[in-house]
Amino acid sequence: GNSVTQMEGPVTLSEEAFLTINCTYTATGYPSLFWYVQYPGEGLQLLLKATKADDKGSNKGFEATYRKETTSFHLEKGSVQVSDSAVYFCALIRNDYKLSFGAGTTVTVRA
Amino acid sequence: AAGVIQSPRHLIKEKRETATLKCYPIPRHDTVYWYQQGPGQDPQFLISFYEKMQSDKGSIPDRFSAQQFSDYHSELNMSSLELGDSALYFCASSSKTRTGELFFGEGSRLTVL
Repeated sequence: GNSVTQMEGPVTLSEEAFLTINCTYTATGYPSLFWYVQYPGEGLQLLLKATKADDKGSNKGFEATYRKETTSFHLEKGSVQVSDSAVYFCALIRNDYKLSFGAGTTVTVRA
Repeated sequence: AAGVIQSPRHLIKEKRETATLKCYPIPRHDTVYWYQQGPGQDPQFLISFYEKMQSDKGSIPDRFSAQQFSDYHSELNMSSLELGDSALYFCASSSKTRTGELFFGEGSRLTVL
């Protein structure tokens, strides 16, 4: 069935460093892809999404491009801040219309 | 803008007790989802409701039940609690099924002692 696999963490970076979190998917067809973020002590928030191949989702300086040739949806940010410290989840919508989450990647940004 | 409201935010129970979590979706959202997130785990889908009817069932234990009421709020009832039920329980709502764009509440943290 449809699923996502994302890079294991934790990831520790310095402020202004470049962040990449890899996410690959296995799916029949072309499901919508998502990145959700969970800040410490808070619920999940949709960060960005892409609904078809070659779409680029972007928000808060983060970007991810839906690449069907590599079945990937890697999350990137050019210059991270301490406030970006969170757990990031890649997700897709399955054939049964439920969200399937990756395992989550914990990102810690140090000042 | 109104968000998904969950209550209580924190709950401590003893083994074999019962707990009830409540969820108030965003107004005019027609679908409610319940997810369970264990420590260090990704959220696992439990159950969903569309227009007050159960629409899907995931890895929800038989000890758990849920329903959606006429005002669209939903309740997750958990009985015979076990230590392993300690988790963060998220409710989410969406206005269009099948898009995956869910709006999550802040979660209810259940601790079973």
